[in-house]
Amino acid sequence: GAVVSQHPSRVICKSGTSVKIECRSLDFQATTMFWYRQFPKKSLMLMATSNEGSKATYEQGVEKDKFLINHASLTLSTLTVTSAHPEDSSFYICSAPRGGSGGDEQYFGPGTRLTVT
Amino acid sequence: GDSVTQMEGPVTLSEEAFLTINCTYTATGYPSLFWYVQYPGEGLQLLLKATKADDKGSNKGFEATYRKETTSFHLEKGSVQVSDSAVYFCALSGAGTALIFGKGTTLSVSS
Repeated sequence: GAVVSQHPSRVICKSGTSVKIECRSLDFQATTMFWYRQFPKKSLMLMATSNEGSKATYEQGVEKDKFLINHASLTLSTLTVTSAHPEDSSFYICSAPRGGSGGDEQYFGPGTRLTVT
Repeated sequence: GDSVTQMEGPVTLSEEAFLTINCTYTATGYPSLFWYVQYPGEGLQLLLKATKADDKGSNKGFEATYRKETTSFHLEKGSVQVSDSAVYFCALSGAGTALIFGKGTTLSVSS
């Protein structure tokens, strides 16, 4: 069964509003989680690394004030898209490495489809 | 920086045909290499992996061999099925264990 869950699976919001996406590791603890964005017919782009107990690390070009990440516990990371615009519409995917933070195998959540109207 | 290049497709095959999806990589050090599969409407699933040179990963009839001399990790299957239709991603583990993905190859198998 799934070991990483995401909620919601789909969300539609209006421009200017904020949306929160949750990523949970279901049967293991993850001190590190990763957030990716997948564009249509494109690969996954790493947005940021979520670290439990410290600030997230953002990839170059990703606005940290727009994409707020909070690693609230060892099993939960949240991504909040603030003041969403249509260009933020995308498929957002989280992952957690097996073994906590040092493992090379990742478990992926099923993704969240965000549509901003 | 590290990168992955894979054939973009789409690849269209008939059932029982032989499949090859090419993947090459650029990396410093000795990364682990992966193939992930994404079925329609579902999340990414690990298909197979190899952690060092000459390792062969295999699963569900798919195979890939870590070739350091050619920096390649080509995915092969001897006889594809309609149920193999999906998007396949080649990836490597970069610094900090975040994955670096290729652009994905869409495979469509018809009966």
